[in-house]
Amino acid sequence: GAGVSQSPSNKVTEKGKDVELRCDPISGHTALYWYRQSLGQGLEFLIYFQGNSAPDKSGLPSDRFSAERTGGSVSTLTIQRTQQEDSAVYLCASSSRDTQYFGPGTRLTVL
Amino acid sequence: GQQVMQIPQYQHVQEGEDFTTYCNSSTTLSNIQWYKQRPGGHPVFLIQLVKSGEVKKQKRLTFQFGEAKKNSSLHITATQTTDVGTYFCAGRWGNNRLAFGKGNQVVVIP
Repeated sequence: GAGVSQSPSNKVTEKGKDVELRCDPISGHTALYWYRQSLGQGLEFLIYFQGNSAPDKSGLPSDRFSAERTGGSVSTLTIQRTQQEDSAVYLCASSSRDTQYFGPGTRLTVL
Repeated sequence: GQQVMQIPQYQHVQEGEDFTTYCNSSTTLSNIQWYKQRPGGHPVFLIQLVKSGEVKKQKRLTFQFGEAKKNSSLHITATQTTDVGTYFCAGRWGNNRLAFGKGNQVVVIP
């Protein structure tokens, strides 16, 4: 089957607007992660969903960030009132038996 | 929280030479994984190490897990231009989520 997909691939928005980023994980994968990666930097953990357990939100940088995972499948990362420092690539990964499979990412640019 | 430290952060390697990148934890790991991210791409899984002292090879890449399960290394021989990219290790402690290191960015000099 297909790998992890993310949409949109690129998003340009104005400061103060809300954005939604989507992740379609590999079918059957119970774990889903969101990361943020600034240019030339490492992976910054944001949030982790595992099955029906409460998500690990410990990496969300502020209350402007939230994420949902509906039906244990598709996930949406929402950033409210975007700021210029939110500009980065947002990567989603789904996991089965530990190995993480990454999507191509969404490049977010906040003007 | 628990984390893995990667050294060095950056490496410039002459084509044809060997290099090693390291990953260290202050506490015992359940397992460790290595990923590679090519420039402009996304991280791709390379290998998982679980057992103390484990050594695994993939062509020119040799992965090791320390006896105490607190450190790991990736050694690449006869570096090629295709080896350019950032190498991440990711550790797991118990049943906690996987935690990535900051990566080792490798530049290959032709």
